[in-house]
Amino acid sequence: QSALTQPPSASGSPGQSVTISCTGTSSDVGGYNYVSWYQQHPGKAPKLMIYEVSKRPSGVPDRFSGSKSGNTASLTVSGLQAEDEADYYCSSYVGRDNWMFGGGTQLTVL
Amino acid sequence: QVQLVQSGAEVKKPGASVKLSCKASGYTFTSYPMHWVRQAPGQRLEWMGWLNTGNGNTQCSQTFQGRVKITRDTSASTAYMEMSSLISEDTAVYYCARKLTGSGNPFDYWGQGTLVTVSS
Repeated sequence: QSALTQPPSASGSPGQSVTISCTGTSSDVGGYNYVSWYQQHPGKAPKLMIYEVSKRPSGVPDRFSGSKSGNTASLTVSGLQAEDEADYYCSSYVGRDNWMFGGGTQLTVL
Repeated sequence: QVQLVQSGAEVKKPGASVKLSCKASGYTFTSYPMHWVRQAPGQRLEWMGWLNTGNGNTQCSQTFQGRVKITRDTSASTAYMEMSSLISEDTAVYYCARKLTGSGNPFDYWGQGTLVTVSS
């Protein structure tokens, strides 16, 4: 099972913005507006941060935003805070009730 | 509140099978699909398959077809994932995750994970 492509790491200073990309194909990211982003702190279960490309679940700060262009989706974290330091995974629906995750990006707050 | 509570850690020998459980509470179990996702140490999340909790139908990723069986006990609001012919590469944390209804909707609640260690 191949994975969506994410940069292995990203970083930014407190208060700055950082964007994490998630690149797939026209069969997954580009073919559906069903991209989600999950935050995972060490030793913890993933937490849903963004769904349907740009929607935020209740309780997720509006510092987190999502977008998509073609086969690449992006997660932007604005006003970086120390607690944002975590791994972030994108996920895309790939049709026929199948799903795919990205390789994950480790976000470091400097 | 919605909770998914998974069974405890397992240690298995290569070639053995393991059956994990995921007990749901705080919502109607049969109203939401349940998915299974695993994460090998230091690795990415890997989608394994899902269970239609209403009718019991299942679907697995091609990676796991023939080796993974997903079942349910609606009276206990519990989903199960059984994996056979274990190899060392199956060492991972296995998560159950509730999915919102609708094809492309996300996984909104996750269990705490179960560590499965495969070692001789």
